[in-house]
Amino acid sequence: EPEVTQTPSHQVTQMGQEVILRCVPISNHLYFYWYRQILGQKVEFLVSFYNNEISEKSEIFDDQFSVERPDGSNFTLKIRSTKLEDSAMYFCASSLLAGGSTDTQYFGPGTRLTVL
Amino acid sequence: GENVEQHPSTLSVQEGDSAVIKCTYSDSASNYFPWYKQELGKRPQLIIDIRSNVGEKKDQRIAVTLNKTAKHFSLHITETQPEDSAVYFCAARSDNYGQNFVFGPGTRLSVLP
Repeated sequence: EPEVTQTPSHQVTQMGQEVILRCVPISNHLYFYWYRQILGQKVEFLVSFYNNEISEKSEIFDDQFSVERPDGSNFTLKIRSTKLEDSAMYFCASSLLAGGSTDTQYFGPGTRLTVL
Repeated sequence: GENVEQHPSTLSVQEGDSAVIKCTYSDSASNYFPWYKQELGKRPQLIIDIRSNVGEKKDQRIAVTLNKTAKHFSLHITETQPEDSAVYFCAARSDNYGQNFVFGPGTRLSVLP
């Protein structure tokens, strides 16, 4: 069964540095998402992406964040200048379509980001 | 925006007993309600979902019920097993807010052998 994959599994960075988290969504899916989960807390929506542009974004997704689909398979989340509070598990998800019976979102294994 | 609450935050049951987790949502336009199971250090895995046009859905030992009038939905696990121990998250999606899910805070279920 196809799965969403993410790399790296763990990223350690210094405060102020840029990081890029990578995701490979399920191949025939059209909608892509990033969520984050601070340790011990609930999963929070960051951004959704469709047809090479952002569909929705939350208040968390400020100017320090950006997303990109650089090629036909990868979907990336960039944090321009990391802060201590960016430390969290970042999950990528994808869905076939949006709405109806095909909007089930499948999550990747996550990237644990630690900002020192 | 949508707000999802979940109770209880922790739940311990004896193996073989049933477990029930309840969620409430605020946006009456919400129409899709998935439940995810997250084992320690792993990805959230969809275990069951329900749409607003049905009131109940069952898949073997797992069932979900939806009360649109009261804006709450519940996860029922029967004949619990130790491998059911995990954190369970409910979520809601509303057409008013696009495709993103709003998750509940989670319930840590412990099934005691």
